[in-house]
Amino acid sequence: DTGVSQDPRHKITKRGQNVTFRCDPISEHNRLYWYRQTLGQGPEFLTYFQNEAQLEKSRLLSDRFSAERPKGSFSTLEIQRTEQGDSAMYLCAPSGSTGDTQYFGPGTRLTVL
Amino acid sequence: AQSVSQHNHHVILSEAASLELGCNYSYGGTVNLFWYVQYPGQHLQLLLKYFSGDPLVKGIKGFEAEFIKSKFSFNLRKPSVQWSDTAEYFCAVNNAGNMLTFGGGTRLMVKP
Repeated sequence: DTGVSQDPRHKITKRGQNVTFRCDPISEHNRLYWYRQTLGQGPEFLTYFQNEAQLEKSRLLSDRFSAERPKGSFSTLEIQRTEQGDSAMYLCAPSGSTGDTQYFGPGTRLTVL
Repeated sequence: AQSVSQHNHHVILSEAASLELGCNYSYGGTVNLFWYVQYPGQHLQLLLKYFSGDPLVKGIKGFEAEFIKSKFSFNLRKPSVQWSDTAEYFCAVNNAGNMLTFGGGTRLMVKP
């Protein structure tokens, strides 16, 4: 049990479609991070929230990507006009207030055809 | 910008062999260091972490890692591997609780 669920676990979509992923930490965490992992690589940071506020975004996060954490609990990541290069595993990692230890969810695997 | 390099991309060992996976990072300030493991078909799990204090840290499943500040290294070790240790291992670093920077991973295969 990772203490966080992600939905859906798998998503197959056609190029140009919009997709939305959800991350639900089981308990309260002040911080929540999003990462992307492609095959054979380590995860890469996308963005993170401190409560509701989105504090940092990676240059990997193009304007087609948007993330929210409306009530400081669950978070959503939306990709508009998906491209084949967006195919990856999208991971979320809640963390305590210090943000020092991040525990990863099971991820959402996105395949863009 | 900080970066992490893992020297070995693939390692194959026989059961009972000793393991050492290298990890070097580049960052001039205070860092927190982590090793995560990803078993086949499973999510990333924290193996061990170093924040401060004793540079030799012990994690789960008999793993340990040593932080050598002068070498910017945080190598992972296990005296005797088991078949069940077959997995991908990721070294990661962050500073002051910010985002993690991961190495490219080392894929370990343990032959029974």
